[in-house]
Amino acid sequence: EAGVAQSPRYKIIEKRQSVAFWCNPISGHATLYWYQQILGQGPKLLIQFQNNGVVDDSQLPKDRFSAERLKGVDSTLKIQPAKLEDSAVYLCASSIGTDEKLFFGSGTQLSVL
Amino acid sequence: KQEVTQIPAALSVPEGENLVLNCSFTDSAIYNLQWFRQDPGKGLTSLLLIQSSQREQTSGRLNASLDKSSGRSTLYIAASQPGDSATYLCAVHIWDMRFGAGTRLTVKP
Repeated sequence: EAGVAQSPRYKIIEKRQSVAFWCNPISGHATLYWYQQILGQGPKLLIQFQNNGVVDDSQLPKDRFSAERLKGVDSTLKIQPAKLEDSAVYLCASSIGTDEKLFFGSGTQLSVL
Repeated sequence: KQEVTQIPAALSVPEGENLVLNCSFTDSAIYNLQWFRQDPGKGLTSLLLIQSSQREQTSGRLNASLDKSSGRSTLYIAASQPGDSATYLCAVHIWDMRFGAGTRLTVKP
């Protein structure tokens, strides 16, 4: 069974530039999550989708972050413009349902210079 | 607001030792609790999922317990091995999945 796919693996940008991350969840998983993990901390939920609808985006900085999940499958997370404090690992996860085990991708490590 | 705390932040043990990792949370009205393992530069791997109606789950050398009333969970690792070296995170699910900062485990040969 294929796992959660994320790309790119690494990204280095300058502040005020824009960046986009892509995630392909496990086939059949209705729930998709984007997390931000700062070094030394646990992951923080940015946004949760159920199929192609947003369930929770209360911690998403909406002035600069946006996310979409077209057709309830793949998802993209965008940051525009990036700030230094956005340097982190961005993790995508999926699950069959909201009460089920989470499966994570390997993440995208973002460095904002 | 749900707070999740993991103690200790780091732990070093000799190979073969049994060990316990701790997780505490402030709001007992949880749907479930999961324990994850994270290797450096990698994503998280789910180890055990305990539903709110359960008291424990076991997988191989791992046993996780849940006491909702006291807001605590423990992850017991039996006969630790160097390959168990990683960061272990717990996460509680209420409205969303909230993670602790993790315990970094080193098992020395």
